[in-house]
Amino acid sequence: GQQLNQSPQSMFIQEGEDVSMNCTSSSIFNTWLWYKQDPGEGPVLLIALYKAGELTSNGRLTAQFGITRKDSFLNISASIPSDVGIYFCAGPNNAGNMLTFGGGTRLMVKP
Amino acid sequence: GAGVSQSPSNKVTEKGKDVELRCDPISGHTALYWYRQSLGQGLEFLIYFQGNSAPDKSGLPSDRFSAERTGGSVSTLTIQRTQQEDSAVYLCASSPDRNYGYTFGSGTRLTVV
Repeated sequence: GQQLNQSPQSMFIQEGEDVSMNCTSSSIFNTWLWYKQDPGEGPVLLIALYKAGELTSNGRLTAQFGITRKDSFLNISASIPSDVGIYFCAGPNNAGNMLTFGGGTRLMVKP
Repeated sequence: GAGVSQSPSNKVTEKGKDVELRCDPISGHTALYWYRQSLGQGLEFLIYFQGNSAPDKSGLPSDRFSAERTGGSVSTLTIQRTQQEDSAVYLCASSPDRNYGYTFGSGTRLTVV
């Protein structure tokens, strides 16, 4: 089946630093999504990407849909303590009826 | 309600007992999904509902797991004869038809002792 591989698995950074994480797959995806999960909560959608090469921003977050359609990255600029959480990439399965999620990148921010 | 509601938020059960987990989706969302998240892991797909029917049950790990949805709204995930490996957070999400912007509930943390 389709698998999404995220890296790094975890990051521990200083407040104010920029962060970059990525997601790769051996299969082509036509949609890429990035979700964030706060402790004790369900994931929340951050950014959705629908076109190869697309670069989309949401505040301090920027995500890109790779040209090959097999990867995507998420950047966070000037990190703050509330950025702590687990970031998941996701893409629809072949039938298009549900999302496959990556294993997540756990972000920890030191004030 | 404004969001997806799951109950209970926490459940501790003895091995071998049956449990029922409930999900109340956003009103009008036709699609409903159940995922399982083991400690420190990603989200594992369990089952998908479109209306009251389940076109994709491929993620249910064994025949001890079943789910139903009634009235195009509330869904119940049932685990029979629970085992310790069933311990996880069970997340429910809903979305308008074929929309990938899922809204997740806060999950039910199940602990089997």
